[in-house]
Amino acid sequence: EAQVTQNPRYLITVTGKKLTVTCSQNMNHEYMSWYRQDPGLGLRQIYYSMNVEVTDKGDVPEGYKVSRKEKRNFPLILESPSPNQTSLYFCASSSGSDGYGYTFGSGTRLTVV
Amino acid sequence: AQKVTQAQTEISVVEKEDVTLDCVYETRDTTYYLFWYKQPPSGELVFLIRRNSFDEQNEISGRYSWNFQKSTSSFNFTITASQVVDSAVYFCALSEAEITGGRNKLTFGTGTQLKVEL
Repeated sequence: EAQVTQNPRYLITVTGKKLTVTCSQNMNHEYMSWYRQDPGLGLRQIYYSMNVEVTDKGDVPEGYKVSRKEKRNFPLILESPSPNQTSLYFCASSSGSDGYGYTFGSGTRLTVV
Repeated sequence: AQKVTQAQTEISVVEKEDVTLDCVYETRDTTYYLFWYKQPPSGELVFLIRRNSFDEQNEISGRYSWNFQKSTSSFNFTITASQVVDSAVYFCALSEAEITGGRNKLTFGTGTQLKVEL
């Protein structure tokens, strides 16, 4: 089954404790992105990657890091989480510019206390 | 820059009523794609429809229908005979065809919370 797998689904952590949210896709997609969803703001792009070792900032990259060492994986790293990073996070992958192939993970609900 | 506006923050209807969710978009591209997603209380994003900018045909899928009008930059979504299971947040989104620098971004509206009551 074609899917994007995110882990964990839920995470509560404390301010300053480094964490990683994993994302993996099995569709051989080149493009992967991370989004965060906040009330009243919709979903906003954090970082994106167009291929292995090629990543760049989206609209709200502050406080986040990503890496793309393999095509299938695109982890989101919070080196020093803060309460304003409490949010619902989605990983997405897509096949290209034709608009097809946007597939989202199930989401990770992160709470930073 | 691309932008999607969903002016309706929350809509409440009684079951069996028809309801229309509005979506207005802005883009400078001539080729783009429009989407609707449903987010039930469980939180995942459920893909509903994709429409490209060259296809202005309205689409119907069961109780769902979509009205795409380029002249008014709108892509509205209607649920006929609403049901309690339709209660969710609905997002409209826009993707421009030209990938600038590999970004391939979906721009989302802020969502409309639909509550369908008995």
